[in-house]
Amino acid sequence: GAGVSQSPRYKVAKRGQDVALRCDPISGHVSLFWYQQALGQGPEFLTYFQNEAQLDKSGLPSDRFFAERPEGSVSTLKIQRTQQEDSAVYLCASSLYETQYFGPGTRLLVL
Amino acid sequence: AQKITQTQPGMFVQEKEAVTLDCTYDTSDPSYGLFWYKQPSSGEMIFLIYQGSYDQQNATEGRYSLNFQKARKSANLVISASQLGDSAMYFCAMRLPSGGGADGLTFGKGTHLIIQP
Repeated sequence: GAGVSQSPRYKVAKRGQDVALRCDPISGHVSLFWYQQALGQGPEFLTYFQNEAQLDKSGLPSDRFFAERPEGSVSTLKIQRTQQEDSAVYLCASSLYETQYFGPGTRLLVL
Repeated sequence: AQKITQTQPGMFVQEKEAVTLDCTYDTSDPSYGLFWYKQPSSGEMIFLIYQGSYDQQNATEGRYSLNFQKARKSANLVISASQLGDSAMYFCAMRLPSGGGADGLTFGKGTHLIIQP
């Protein structure tokens, strides 16, 4: 079946702009995760949803970052007033049991 | 807090040789899961193998096996008969049971594996 999809694949934003990143999980997967991966580093956890409930947002770096999954399927990660340090790859993953399956990521560049 | 350590930033290996990628972890929780992912230059994280802390046998998936040494808190990935397509970044990761306040995966810094012909 179809894997996790993310859009856009690439996003260039001017500092101060708001951006919205979309994640379509694997159909039927209850759990959805967002990660941030800086260049040359491993991914770092941002937030976790079980269905529509956001159960853990401990990794969100500031209140400029906001995530939602209103119907328990598609999720959106929103970054307000982007800053240069927000430049990274944003990965979404979904799971039914233990194993998380990742999407291709959105590469965000803030100029 | 849990931690994953990968001590090999980069490795060069001849094609067809076996490869061992090191991973040590640190947690006081008796229940956890360990994962290995492959990230080629295209950027996608590809799941390779999973080991649960209570699993009695080492996990295997085709050419991949996980050398799980619980007392040493070690979870090394072994790739048999390496191929040119194995060249990529490899990440070790750990997850604690949900609800423990750390629901995501904790990743190591990765090992850049290059297979030479």
